[in-house]
Amino acid sequence: GESVGLHLPTLSVQEGDNSIINCAYSNSASDYFIWYKQESGKGPQFIIDIRSNMDKRQGQRVTVLLNKTVKHLSLQIAATQPGDSAVYFCAENGSGGGADGLTFGKGTHLIIQP
Amino acid sequence: ETGVTQTPRHLVMGMTNKKSLKCEQHLGHNAMYWYKQSAKKPLELMFVYNFKEQTENNSVPSRFSPECPNSSHLFLHLHTLQPEDSALYLCASSPWGGTNYEQYFGPGTRLTVT
Repeated sequence: GESVGLHLPTLSVQEGDNSIINCAYSNSASDYFIWYKQESGKGPQFIIDIRSNMDKRQGQRVTVLLNKTVKHLSLQIAATQPGDSAVYFCAENGSGGGADGLTFGKGTHLIIQP
Repeated sequence: ETGVTQTPRHLVMGMTNKKSLKCEQHLGHNAMYWYKQSAKKPLELMFVYNFKEQTENNSVPSRFSPECPNSSHLFLHLHTLQPEDSALYLCASSPWGGTNYEQYFGPGTRLTVT
């Protein structure tokens, strides 16, 4: 199947700074993208999603940007907090129905420095 | 709490043992999934069930046998596993037929095969 990957395995930012996590995807038919956060000892937790008919979507302190031209997805976290330390995954669901499984990237470990 | 529970949380088994992992979702969803999460690898989709019917088997070895007696429960029966099967096994659920593709994950079962 198509791959979804992340550019950087580890990202370290100062508390209070903004962070940007990037993701590249290769399936041009993908029409839905999700960002998940996984803390140690827990399962992935939904953060925000975006459909291919949108370029940007904002949530609480998070923004997802989608560039379909270059098949690039990013997650911006504003004013990072210690609780933001986790591994972040992007995932895509292709163009299938809701029962299809997600294709995940390898993950980026976000470290918040005090 | 995501509404998806998994038991046991940790499991150690020998290669000749037979064990089962259990997943239960309290969200009224109709689709359930098994994923495998190994160190330094993306989450791998194993099985998909939609309205209790298996809709996807992602080339998983037969030593893994899923069972879905109803839309709220999902099992993964394990027998004659190999050490390389040691991983975190994640269960997820999602609504079916709607435009919401978000999947809700349980905390996972950490499996060690000795």
